[in-house]
Amino acid sequence: DAKTTQPPSMDCAEGRAANLPCNHSTISGNEYVYWYRQIHSQGPQYIIHGLKNNETNEMASLIITEDRKSSTLILPHATLRDTAVYYCIVRDDDYKLSFGAGTTVTVRA
Amino acid sequence: NAGVTQTPKFRILKIGQSMTLQCTQDMNHNYMYWYRQDPGMGLKLIYYSVGAGITDKGEVPNGYNVSRSTTEDFPLRLELAAPSQTSVYFCASSLSRDYTFGSGTRLTVV
Repeated sequence: DAKTTQPPSMDCAEGRAANLPCNHSTISGNEYVYWYRQIHSQGPQYIIHGLKNNETNEMASLIITEDRKSSTLILPHATLRDTAVYYCIVRDDDYKLSFGAGTTVTVRA
Repeated sequence: NAGVTQTPKFRILKIGQSMTLQCTQDMNHNYMYWYRQDPGMGLKLIYYSVGAGITDKGEVPNGYNVSRSTTEDFPLRLELAAPSQTSVYFCASSLSRDYTFGSGTRLTVV
């Protein structure tokens, strides 16, 4: 699976949009971009995934650049409960997820 | 629909003891996984299974064993506990694209 690079931490103001970047310059054509988050010591929670097109669901939006070498997860209106570690993962069809260190997002009131 | 259930939630083992971490899912998922997470680190894959009777090693399998006799259950066995196995263990399952994780087992080996 391709490697991903994320900033180690970022802060966000409550009620504002949080934009989380991820670089995956070695991604190949059949690899998907996944985002998970882990709140405190709980099990990771699936957020969203995409291949080429931008995706949106009730939790977030995923913007993938045209060359697919980077992506951005957008939390449209961050709340205190969105404070978590966010993992960007690139995965092919072998159904295994590899977790890096992720980005620690702190939402401040 | 309980999702992925892990037991126990906490356990303290002495060096050399053995134990089995239990994992059960009720979603009829084919794929199941065991991860460990050391403090401040990401999750590392220990073993995974693509269906009943089929298991394979992940990134850090040494010191662990698994079995998958049914679709629902995927127990993780520690035979000779070592302090290096102190960690939080997460079980997960998936049908295809997104994983569902259990709440974890916090294991301390002393």
